[in-house]
Amino acid sequence: EVQLVQSGAEVKKPGESLKISCRASGYTFTTYWIAWVRQMPGKGLESMGIIFPGDSETRYSPSFQGQVTFSVDKSTSTAYLQWTSLKASDSGMYYCARGANGYPLGYWGQGTLVTVS
Amino acid sequence: EIVLRQSPGTLSLSPGERATLSCRASQSISSTYFAWYQQKPGQAPRLLIFGASSRASGIPDRFSGSGSGTDFTLTINRLEPDDFAVYYCQHYGTSPLTFGGGTKVEIK
Repeated sequence: EVQLVQSGAEVKKPGESLKISCRASGYTFTTYWIAWVRQMPGKGLESMGIIFPGDSETRYSPSFQGQVTFSVDKSTSTAYLQWTSLKASDSGMYYCARGANGYPLGYWGQGTLVTVS
Repeated sequence: EIVLRQSPGTLSLSPGERATLSCRASQSISSTYFAWYQQKPGQAPRLLIFGASSRASGIPDRFSGSGSGTDFTLTINRLEPDDFAVYYCQHYGTSPLTFGGGTKVEIK
């Protein structure tokens, strides 16, 4: 069974750094793209970008380029989303999902709520 | 970047009625790379339709997708209480992926 399990909720202060995780299981991690999706409170879904775990090729959506960093650890089948200096406007729910770049997002993590205040 | 515009923003219907949701793209996109998702409060989105018209695993046949080029439609026949949610369209071909703004289907 394909599963994406994300790390728990975070409460941070502006200016702090943060790295959240998305651990994949039930499939070969290196063969499917992982997408990161933001959902701000009461708002719609925003694509942040995608990463291919096989070679760490990364494509950021224009609004998120330079604001976040994607990475993976193939040894643990885990994808990461990182901020170096959080802003209040980074508060929201963050989802990882498997697919992208020609494949629909068929599997989603449960989401990680980030609160910056 | 392909912009997807969904209409209407909110659809107020009664159980048993049909819902018709629209999504218009800013440029022509391949229907192969077009999807619809359902999201309920407090839950992650769920894939409903991919390739514009193919139902994902476990999705009942009252959900159907159609369209091509710049205009796509999600139809939900015989609305059930569990269907009242927010629906998003998405293209997943070339990067960046983009989502529509969503249509909320609410109980009238």
